[in-house]
Amino acid sequence: DIQMTQSPSSLSASVGDRVTITCQASQDIRNYLNWYQQKPGKAPKLLIYDASNLETGVPSTFSGSGSGTDFTFTISSLQPEDIATYYCQQYDNLPLTFGGGTKVDFK
Amino acid sequence: EVQLVESGGGLVQPGRSLRLSCAASGFTFDDYAMHWVRQAPGKGLEWVSGISWNSDSTGYADSVKGRFTISRDNAKNSLYLQMNSLRADDTALYYCAKAQYSSYRRGAFDIWGQGTMVSVSS
Repeated sequence: DIQMTQSPSSLSASVGDRVTITCQASQDIRNYLNWYQQKPGKAPKLLIYDASNLETGVPSTFSGSGSGTDFTFTISSLQPEDIATYYCQQYDNLPLTFGGGTKVDFK
Repeated sequence: EVQLVESGGGLVQPGRSLRLSCAASGFTFDDYAMHWVRQAPGKGLEWVSGISWNSDSTGYADSVKGRFTISRDNAKNSLYLQMNSLRADDTALYYCAKAQYSSYRRGAFDIWGQGTMVSVSS
């Protein structure tokens, strides 16, 4: 199975801060990497697909980059509504696997 | 409005069975693959199973292989998960999710339901 390692597991930031989350795959997954946001008590929501493509309707403050084994997810200016847990997910190989999640809250 | 509504969860004893359902609306159901993804209380996301648009191809996590069966009825716009030989570690919120493409091996989960809770306990 492909292991997806996210870091950090949690972070605290202020409104307006730039937030960066990394996701490392245990083997080359090309650009077959997606990012999701999950707010407390809610279902996950797709934000970024194929490493860098913004899902329709998602604010441009969110972005993704990377290929191969190393990926980055960025919130350019943290807003109160961005408080959530973020997950990466690969689909290069079965089983489809998720990272452990990064919980983002306010400092 | 694109919507997925899960049902069928509940409290069940270890070793027993349960069948989850997911009703889809607002999109052409038989154009897309579908998935089940679960989340144990306080834990992360785990892919459980996927099925292609025409049911020709299915896949399972090792943790459920041989015990769970995914299926779909395109005439009823519905997805199912038959869960047999349930164990305590199957306790989770089970989400139904739409795939971006007709193959479950490709793309992202672009639409999610609100989930149905399954608790396995004696």
